[in-house]
Amino acid sequence: QSVLRQPPSASGTPGQRVTISCSGGTSNIESQHVYWYRHLPGTAPKLLIFLNDRRPSGVPDRFSGSKSGTSASLAISGLRSEDESTYYCATWDDKLNGPVFGGGTKLTVL
Amino acid sequence: QVQLVESGGGVVQPGRSLRLSCAASGINFHDYGMHWVRLAPGKGLEWVAVISHDGTGKYYIDSVKGRFTISRDNSKTTVYLQMNNLRTEDTAVYYCAGRVGPMSAHIEYWGQGTLVTVSS
Repeated sequence: QSVLRQPPSASGTPGQRVTISCSGGTSNIESQHVYWYRHLPGTAPKLLIFLNDRRPSGVPDRFSGSKSGTSASLAISGLRSEDESTYYCATWDDKLNGPVFGGGTKLTVL
Repeated sequence: QVQLVESGGGVVQPGRSLRLSCAASGINFHDYGMHWVRLAPGKGLEWVAVISHDGTGKYYIDSVKGRFTISRDNSKTTVYLQMNNLRTEDTAVYYCAGRVGPMSAHIEYWGQGTLVTVSS
């Protein structure tokens, strides 16, 4: 059971906007930066969002991140079939003195 | 270009040991914090261990403390994960990863992973 809680699944139709939430606490999200990764088994994970809301070069602006208090979220607009993947939030936890992932949200494009 | 290449995975019996290696190229390795992250069957990504750029700082997830050791050889641009007293629940794909700067949850580069199967 991760200290960061994500819904296990999410879904949307092509073109829709979906949001994935990540809930934590004062020792992690509230006091640290949040990162979002996408992962398909058999491939290397990929960084989508860093420092809460910044996109690495090459990541489309359809992907956006935000943080408020002890929660963060990833929004994907203009949903595409290739967005089907598992999405993880991540941050540093001051109590654990180490990095943690959320449990992951599997996104299905209907 | 940046490459992180893991090796050393395989099938091992419970209680035995295995050492994973990750050879890095295309980066100033001595500036990079390095990570081992795993994906077990049916589970999510899990941080296993992290080591600071100079090897003085280390982090381990509770379930591997006392059994796994992360180390690095900056002269060989390689990071290692020594895994002792392996358990069936350690079965996973192990990814090597890294980013310049201090230990954090920010990972820029990933390897393709190496499979470790612990089974009798």
